[in-house]
Amino acid sequence: AQRVTQPEKLLSVFKGAPVELKCNYSYSGSPELFWYVQYSRQRLQLLLRHISRESIKGFTADLNKGETSFHLKKPFAQEEDSAMYYCALSGNAGGTSYGKLTFGQGTILTVHP
Amino acid sequence: DGGITQSPKYLFRKEGQNVTLSCEQNLNHDAMYWYRQDPGQGLRLIYYSQIVNDFQKGDIAEGYSVSREKKESFPLTVTSAQKNPTAFYLCASSLHPRGRWEQYFGPGTRLTVT
Repeated sequence: AQRVTQPEKLLSVFKGAPVELKCNYSYSGSPELFWYVQYSRQRLQLLLRHISRESIKGFTADLNKGETSFHLKKPFAQEEDSAMYYCALSGNAGGTSYGKLTFGQGTILTVHP
Repeated sequence: DGGITQSPKYLFRKEGQNVTLSCEQNLNHDAMYWYRQDPGQGLRLIYYSQIVNDFQKGDIAEGYSVSREKKESFPLTVTSAQKNPTAFYLCASSLHPRGRWEQYFGPGTRLTVT
């Protein structure tokens, strides 16, 4: 079974402060991990994926297999980063997990001016 | 205008009635998905389809049914057997069935059953 946990439902920071949204996962194989974001009145959309090792809008996330984590980080938060963030996992094995994306519970980030 | 559409935006039904939510995409994507979004529970997968005329149950399929007769369409029926149908429903599609492919989401349908 695959499972994603985001321990913080709400996270508040001030503009310019560093921000870290936590994500832990459980999966027996080698997972593929993603962060999706939902801004106010917009659709849920992909922010970044670990296989791309990219930085999007200043956000980065590193897969730590030892700690089974995929935390999302940004050194200097901006007000426009306020949104709901979801961590998601895709198992790359076949069988029942094929094609499935498992989401965490989500973290609402609020960046205050 | 390409993308994935869901209709209607808001839907109200009486308890005991079945209701069908529409999801259409013109992205030529093979795979389509239905999720339910509840506060504090994130997105939970209801059903997904990797190709036309084929679909699989997700994590919370009980009380729901789907069909995939056309590549572009993946309607979800919420039956009277679903115990807590009031929720926000999201449809998504991806180019290929593998989970690594980006999923594109629709705007959602908020269903209220009283």
